[in-house]
Amino acid sequence: QKEVEQNSGPLSVPEGAIASLNCTYSDRGSQSFFWYRQYSGKSPELIMSIYSNGDKEDGRFTAQLNKASQYVSLLIRDSQPSDSATYLCAVNDYKLSFGAGTTVTVRA
Amino acid sequence: DGGITQSPKYLFRKEGQNVTLSCEQNLNHDAMYWYRQDPGQGLRLIYYSQIVNDFQKGDIAEGYSVSREKKESFPLTVTSAQKNPTAFYLCASSAPRSLGTGVGSSYEQYFGPGTRLTVT
Repeated sequence: QKEVEQNSGPLSVPEGAIASLNCTYSDRGSQSFFWYRQYSGKSPELIMSIYSNGDKEDGRFTAQLNKASQYVSLLIRDSQPSDSATYLCAVNDYKLSFGAGTTVTVRA
Repeated sequence: DGGITQSPKYLFRKEGQNVTLSCEQNLNHDAMYWYRQDPGQGLRLIYYSQIVNDFQKGDIAEGYSVSREKKESFPLTVTSAQKNPTAFYLCASSAPRSLGTGVGSSYEQYFGPGTRLTVT
């Protein structure tokens, strides 16, 4: 079993809709969870970090964490074409374990 | 202007040659990391260093070597022993952030722009 698994995608959503990305992890002792956005040909950019159960909102992004079920999700509200990218879930102690990523395409 | 720099952006080498990728940071971060990314895949950890003069192997260290003589610098050498060296190489750095008493720390990692290595 992979340490971090993401829904495989690709995910296509219309502009203005909600994009929902899911991630599960295997290490029950994990404490830190991150979402990175990676545009094609570029390096990953940290967009959200979450450490406690529940929701964390930042602008149009909401991260949700459920440690009992070992999943973390990312919602992108009012999706824009500029949100088209690959989103990487990462789980951490002092070295990150990454999922393979979910590619999101927002169609106008 | 704080950040992480990697050079060069593109690198082409012949098979059998060693090549060194540069990574420099001025964020005063203690920890630095090297990842490799292949098309359509996530990032895989090659080496990491939590303090100067100390580093540990990651998940795919075979065929690579690193040094950490200065806090700011963490160069990666791709040796001729690496069987499939063509990839996108990413350097990252982080500093600990306390999550609370008895909980531990988190390490938000920030990435450089990457070096795309092609070996023919």
